[in-house]
This record gives sequence, C-alpha cells and structure tokens, in this order.
Amino acid sequence: QVQLQESGPGLVKPSETLSLTCGVSGGSISSYYWWSWVRQPPGKGLEWIGEIFHTGSTNYNPSLKSRVTISVDKSKNQFSLRLTSVTAADTAVYYCATTAEYFQDWGQGTLVSVSS
Amino acid sequence: NFMLTQPHSVSESPGKTVTISCTRSSGSIASNYVHWYQQRPASSPTTVIYEDNQRPSGVPDRFSGSIDSSSNSASLTISGLKTEDEADYYCQSYDSSSQVFGGGTKLTVL
Repeated sequence: QVQLQESGPGLVKPSETLSLTCGVSGGSISSYYWWSWVRQPPGKGLEWIGEIFHTGSTNYNPSLKSRVTISVDKSKNQFSLRLTSVTAADTAVYYCATTAEYFQDWGQGTLVSVSS
Repeated sequence: NFMLTQPHSVSESPGKTVTISCTRSSGSIASNYVHWYQQRPASSPTTVIYEDNQRPSGVPDRFSGSIDSSSNSASLTISGLKTEDEADYYCQSYDSSSQVFGGGTKLTVL
C-alpha cells in the first residue's frame, strides 16, 4: 500500500491551465501500478481523467483527451496532471490513485476551483 | 465506450439487507471485472468489493458482490445494515483502455 498526496493551486482562472502533482511514498512509481487521476465535482460522482504507467504509456478519458496530459517523474517519485482551457465545469476535488485491476490507493484529494 | 447505470438512491432500515445494481449499457458485464467503492462524506473512496465478488481484507463479510449476465448487471449486497454503512457507493469497470465509473448510489440507513 502506497501513500499518495496531491498538491497544486486551489484556484485557477478560466481559460488557464490546471496543474497538479501527486507525490508517491511507501513505494516506487516504477512498480507495476498504473497511476491515475480521478475528479469529483461538488455534490457529483467520480470521473476518471486518465492514467500513466512508469514507462510513460498513457490512457485518457475520451471526453477530456484533447485537454489532458499526464506525465511521470521517476526521479521525484511523482506524477502530474495538466488540464488546459479550464472552465467552471472543471471545478472539482481531484484525486490521484493507484490502479492495478482496480483503484487501490487514493490520495486525500484536493479541491480546485475555477474562477476569475 | 459504455456506461454504468446505478440507482440514484436507496434506503433501508438497520439490520436489513439492501442491494445496489449497476447495469452496463453495452458489451458484456462479464467481459471485465466490476469493482465497488464506498465513499463517506468528505472522504476518499475505499474499495469494498473488487473483481466482481472479492472482499479486501478488513471489509466485513456483510458486503458481497455478484454479476448477472442475463440482466448485464452487477450487484452490491449489504446485509445486516449498520448506520455506519450510510455512504455513496460507486461501481467501476474497464474496457478499451478506459476506466468507467457508475454515477453513484446514495445509501441511507434509517
């Protein structure tokens, strides 16, 4: 079981880029897991954003694919999310998580609000 | 891609049994594992069932999962309901390099 911690700005302006990082402790990011981002708008359900393997291979939610980039930094044992051209609809709690067959370990989540 | 449809809410009394369904819109429910998560208010989700019917260590055996190919759905059953089971429950599956969550079901234990 690894520990995950999201970090990044809590407020982003419309049309700008949302950037978050997930620090991994208690295990290596070069393990067999995939590393995912999931978000949850206030009062709504979970939405998978995408995932990355330590080799750099990625899968993205088709509905967000044009705006999302997930990357991994093995030297820092962390992975990151970039979401471009944000709007109020991107306001959500953003979670990072490990994915083997299922989402095993989750970070505590970080609220990102999109507002001018 | 496919969708997973759950009832918006269910309610039941303590000590009773409740079942939450998760219906797959296209493709076979049996083609990929279904997993279930519990999310209490202001908390991260935790796994209660993985791989259709497996319980992680620490999850009581009051929680069980199954799939039904005839209705193309998965089910989470919680028996001997306790007030602490009140939470949102999400099903999740995978296909074609995409992870998909159901919309979530709010369980009220009253």
